[in-house]
Amino acid sequence: EAGVAQSPRYKIIEKRQSVAFWCNPISGHATLYWYQQILGQGPKLLIQFQNNGVVDDSQLPKDRFSAERLKGVDSTLKIQPAKLEDSAVYLCASSLEWSSVGETQYFGPGTRLLVL
Amino acid sequence: RKEVEQDPGPFNVPEGATVAFNCTYSNSASQSFFWYRQDCRKEPKLLMSVYSSGNEDGRFTAQLNRASQYISLLIRDSKLSDSATYLCAMIIQGAQKLVFGQGTRLTINP
Repeated sequence: EAGVAQSPRYKIIEKRQSVAFWCNPISGHATLYWYQQILGQGPKLLIQFQNNGVVDDSQLPKDRFSAERLKGVDSTLKIQPAKLEDSAVYLCASSLEWSSVGETQYFGPGTRLLVL
Repeated sequence: RKEVEQDPGPFNVPEGATVAFNCTYSNSASQSFFWYRQDCRKEPKLLMSVYSSGNEDGRFTAQLNRASQYISLLIRDSKLSDSATYLCAMIIQGAQKLVFGQGTRLTINP
């Protein structure tokens, strides 16, 4: 079974530039998550989709971050404009469904972003 | 106060030793608990869920103490390959999201 795919794996940009990340979840997984992991910290949920609807985006900095999952499959996360503090690993994860008892989330390899 | 707190370490222990670390949480409504393992520059992977009665998987034992609001992970007979960052995570009742601790870095020395 193919895992969660993400691209690009690495990105270096200058502050105020724009950047986009792509994620393709495991086939059949209805729930997709984007996390931000800053060095030395645990992953922080940015946005969660159930099919193509947003379930939680309370921690997404909406003035500069946006995400979409138009057809309920793959997803893109965009930052425009980027700030130095956005330097982090952006992890995409997916699960079959959302469950309060914790459906296993499978993580992709992440996109490592460096903002100069 | 952070929702989930872990001692970041690093923990340096010799191969074969037993090591344990805890993760405390502030919200008593936390209902589901997990330990994830994250290797350097890799993604987190689920190590084990933590059940109220405690659970064991080989050399790994996870326990939940609701009264004191913490979960623990015990690793017996540690191997070099156990070197990683261990992240605790939990789901808070009513919030449809997984909240992670900052991780505890473990290095097993030969």
